[in-house]
Amino acid sequence: ETGVTQSPTHLIKTRGQQVTLRCSSQSGHNTVSWYQQALGQGPQFIFQYYREEENGRGNFPPRFSGLQFPNYSSELNVNALELDDSALYLCASSLGQGVTDTQYFGPGTRLTVL
Amino acid sequence: GQNIDQPTEMTATEGAIVQINCTYQTSGFNGLFWYQQHAGEAPTFLSYNVLDGLEEKGRFSSFLSRSKGYSYLLLKELQMKDSASYLCAAMDSNYQLIWGAGTKLIIKP
Repeated sequence: ETGVTQSPTHLIKTRGQQVTLRCSSQSGHNTVSWYQQALGQGPQFIFQYYREEENGRGNFPPRFSGLQFPNYSSELNVNALELDDSALYLCASSLGQGVTDTQYFGPGTRLTVL
Repeated sequence: GQNIDQPTEMTATEGAIVQINCTYQTSGFNGLFWYQQHAGEAPTFLSYNVLDGLEEKGRFSSFLSRSKGYSYLLLKELQMKDSASYLCAAMDSNYQLIWGAGTKLIIKP
């Protein structure tokens, strides 16, 4: 148990729809990172938030957006879903920003786009 | 560009030793992480190396050579529960993790 939770665990959407995934970080962890993991692949970095501000972004289009809240929770929003968005979405929290802190992962949300 | 290479799959026998290699190329370097991921589950932290050398933690050890851009994870006294994917990830100058695709380790009795 890492103390990081995500909801929902599974989700099915259709192409063109919008989705919001939620993550609750460990208490005291100011940094949250979101990853997309396709089957058989390593995680791909989407973006990172530190104290409610975006702190870095991977190679994902603007229809992937996020929010971080003061209560250590965060959201990943994806608009105009595409079939290729089907993947496991992981959030990971860590203590600080700009330091080599270990990231603790939540159990993930499995998104299927039909 | 940034790149992490590790073997796709390895097979080993229960009780034996296995070494999983990883090579990396990143813009700047702030350390090398190893994570274990069982099928359908989230990655869990195993080790972190930022200085050259070997770090030992129970049955698992991790080695880093910064000059060679190389790391390995050594698993001893293999148990069936060690069957999982092992992910190598390097932290770049922006403190972002660059991940490999993972090595699927199959343990046979």
